[in-house]
Amino acid sequence: GESVGLHLPTLSVQEGDNSIINCAYSNSASDYFIWYKQESGKGPQFIIDIRSNMDKRQGQRVTVLLNKTVKHLSLQIAATQPGDSAVYFCAENRDSSYKLIFGSGTRLLVRP
Amino acid sequence: GAGVSQTPSNKVTEKGKYVELRCDPISGHTALYWYRQSLGQGPEFLIYFQGTGAADDSGLPNDRFFAVRPEGSVSTLKIQRTERGDSAVYLCASSLTSGTGMLFFGEGSRLTVL
Repeated sequence: GESVGLHLPTLSVQEGDNSIINCAYSNSASDYFIWYKQESGKGPQFIIDIRSNMDKRQGQRVTVLLNKTVKHLSLQIAATQPGDSAVYFCAENRDSSYKLIFGSGTRLLVRP
Repeated sequence: GAGVSQTPSNKVTEKGKYVELRCDPISGHTALYWYRQSLGQGPEFLIYFQGTGAADDSGLPNDRFFAVRPEGSVSTLKIQRTERGDSAVYLCASSLTSGTGMLFFGEGSRLTVL
């Protein structure tokens, strides 16, 4: 079936290092992708988004890369901090609709 | 408050009981969404409101689930004859308009059905 998924369920990084969280999607009709961060006991929080007419978008300490050829999405976090520890979800959206399809998430652990 | 507010934060009920979960979206946000999140999973879409009407309820699992938004602001998710499989965190989100991936989520209502 068509779905959004993640390669690594848990990622452990040293504080100060860069983190890369990966996501694969299978529906070539998806044209809009979003990354969310979810801390324990809280709701998901929007981080950054990218549309399919772009292959890279940068925010504050975060970069999202989109490779439509292999249907792959990644979130790069520069100089990872303890506050970045959370579960990260990618989500897909089609035709600017209202429905987001979330993957199952990757837990990021930041070692001091 | 400035964010999406959900009540109760925790609800424990017995199988077969009726529950209501409330969502107070960010003021001025016309779009409202309900998602359900099981342990270790990403949120799953349940229903979307644009204004007062349910524009898409295709994610509701069955007819025991119903949601309303009578005045275009506060929404209530209603679950009849609860089952143990209904146990999850129910997340509400709002956005300024539809067609955006920038949703503002509440902290969720954790429902436990014994």
